[in-house]
Amino acid sequence: DAKTTQPPSMDCAEGRAANLPCNHSTISGNEYVYWYRQIHSQGPQYIIHGLKNNETNEMASLIITEDRKSSTLILPHATLRDTAVYYCIVRANTNYGGSQGNLIFGKGTKLSVKP
Amino acid sequence: GAGVSQSPRYKVAKRGQDVALRCDPISGHVSLFWYQQALGQGPEFLTYFQNEAQLDKSGLPSDRFFAERPEGSVSTLKIQRTQQEDSAVYLCASSAYTKNIQYFGAGTRLSVL
Repeated sequence: DAKTTQPPSMDCAEGRAANLPCNHSTISGNEYVYWYRQIHSQGPQYIIHGLKNNETNEMASLIITEDRKSSTLILPHATLRDTAVYYCIVRANTNYGGSQGNLIFGKGTKLSVKP
Repeated sequence: GAGVSQSPRYKVAKRGQDVALRCDPISGHVSLFWYQQALGQGPEFLTYFQNEAQLDKSGLPSDRFFAERPEGSVSTLKIQRTQQEDSAVYLCASSAYTKNIQYFGAGTRLSVL
């Protein structure tokens, strides 16, 4: 089972910031928070990940609460092309032993950006 | 550079037929994953390779599903005697050994009639 909880759907006006929440209250100390999105008929696309500090890249910002039990993905200026299902995933980053760690997806949040 | 490539993009099979789905990972990526995505659901893990070694096949739903990666590059997912419940999108992802970001292909949509 997924270790995260996300709202099933959200709407956002084009040009506005989209703030997507995720709860991961059982996250372990060595687990990272990853965000992927899946645009219709495409494979999932990596967005961003973080451990405990806030992160920003060219696509988005990730805000992780101090207790690490929840996080928010921020798309600062949403466009119509950002309409997709957004998945929040927690996973340990391990390169040792056998499995490198498959991703456990939930149902995600379907974000609809409207003109 | 090229991303993860999957073929065919669409496959229609009659119930009972065998199918083979191909995945070309990003060049040099050691790790390769297969996922199955049913309509309206998130992807679910099937199996994992590190180079040519299949280190985890715990997600394969039955012994009709078989995956291989003989030379540590291209991988094939084979489904024998397909059933209607096998209809799904099959996704392949690869990642470099020292980094854990997985890059996905566009998937193969399998429809079993």
